Amino acid sequence: GQNIDQPTEMTATEGAIVQINCTYQTSGFNGLFWYQQHAGEAPTFLSYNVLDGLEEKGRFSSFLSRSKGYSYLLLKELQMKDSASYLCAVSTYPTGANNLFFGTGTRLTVIP
Amino acid sequence: DTAVSQTPKYLVTQMGNDKSIKCEQNLGHDTMYWYKQDSKKFLKIMFSYNNKELIINETVPNRFSPKSPDKAHLNLHINSLELGDSAVYFCASRTKLAGDPETQYFGPGTRLLVL
Repeated sequence: GQNIDQPTEMTATEGAIVQINCTYQTSGFNGLFWYQQHAGEAPTFLSYNVLDGLEEKGRFSSFLSRSKGYSYLLLKELQMKDSASYLCAVSTYPTGANNLFFGTGTRLTVIP
Repeated sequence: DTAVSQTPKYLVTQMGNDKSIKCEQNLGHDTMYWYKQDSKKFLKIMFSYNNKELIINETVPNRFSPKSPDKAHLNLHINSLELGDSAVYFCASRTKLAGDPETQYFGPGTRLLVL
């Protein structure tokens, strides 16, 4: 089975940096995704890590350590529009479908 | 153009009814999925379909049945609806081609309320 843990809620100030952690225990690990989901909307893809290290995409970066079963999403220069839920998801095989198993999500509130 | 679309967006129905949710993707993707997001916002996979073949069923009750008439569509049929089926159902699709092999693209969701 899969066990994915992330904090339920976080609050940060506009312009600041916030790090959202995710730990996982799974079989057949293929890669790790981060998705953003605004209230009432669909999840949208943010980043994907398959190898250890840091992936940077603009204000967002994601880090993976496969040996530690650990990832984080780093958001810089926070904006009010970054208030959303951030979902950590693990991709597994060998079913062939590379199914995604999601954590419960971290609801981030950005305050002025 | 909408990449992954679902209909209806909202569905309110009585317990015991049978209903269907439709999903279509125009991305030419090979694999489609159905997810359920409950009131606590936990997103859980229900089914995945690859080339019209069911790959995995994550212990979903057999009242739920996916139907794929072609590669671009994966519909979800629900029989004998129960109160606990109330949730948001998301369809998603993914390509197996190189370049972007992993990313799943989600539809807008169908909000189902069973009374």
